[in-house]
Amino acid sequence: ETGVTQSPTHLIKTRGQQVTLRCSSQSGHNTVSWYQQALGQGPQFIFQYYREEENGRGNFPPRFSGLQFPNYSSELNVNALELDDSALYLCASSLRTAGEQFFGPGTRLTVL
Amino acid sequence: GENVEQHPSTLSVQEGDSAVIKCTYSDSASNYFPWYKQELGKGPQLIIDIRSNVGEKKDQRIAVTLNKTAKHFSLHITETQPEDSAVYFCAASREGSTLGRLYFGRGTQLTVWP
Repeated sequence: ETGVTQSPTHLIKTRGQQVTLRCSSQSGHNTVSWYQQALGQGPQFIFQYYREEENGRGNFPPRFSGLQFPNYSSELNVNALELDDSALYLCASSLRTAGEQFFGPGTRLTVL
Repeated sequence: GENVEQHPSTLSVQEGDSAVIKCTYSDSASNYFPWYKQELGKGPQLIIDIRSNVGEKKDQRIAVTLNKTAKHFSLHITETQPEDSAVYFCAASREGSTLGRLYFGRGTQLTVWP
């Protein structure tokens, strides 16, 4: 059974640029949730995708957007990057919209 | 929304001692409480969870207790080992809802000294 994978591992961008992060869910999981983890903090919920639709969103602006594909993999897009967007971005997959979530290794984004 | 508080923020113990991390939550509708271990440079790993219909759950050296009335839950690690050193996060959510987002505490850095 393959776990949750994310790419890239690290990314450096400058303010104003756009970025796309990718996530492959664990085999058999149809739900993907994205979290932002700032240094020294707990993960904060960005949004969740279920059956290719956004199922819920946390307190993040519209420049954070996402997609889920028929194979349940997902993308997180961030436009107009700001310095405060520097963080570890985590993807978690689950069998359903609520319950156990399994995290990937994350993508470390640095905005200069 | 839900608010999860976690204490202590750092915890140092001698190898073989026990470690206890405590969390409180605010939303009485929360019914699912997972604990995650995050090692440096890695994503959080689910180590144990508890649901509101259970008061205690054990898995080898790890146990979690839940007090629904007081809205707090705790992680207990016995016979600690250096490889237990990591950041531990508690979380809360509503299982069975249409959106089971996890609300996390701020984490506890556990250091186990040999």
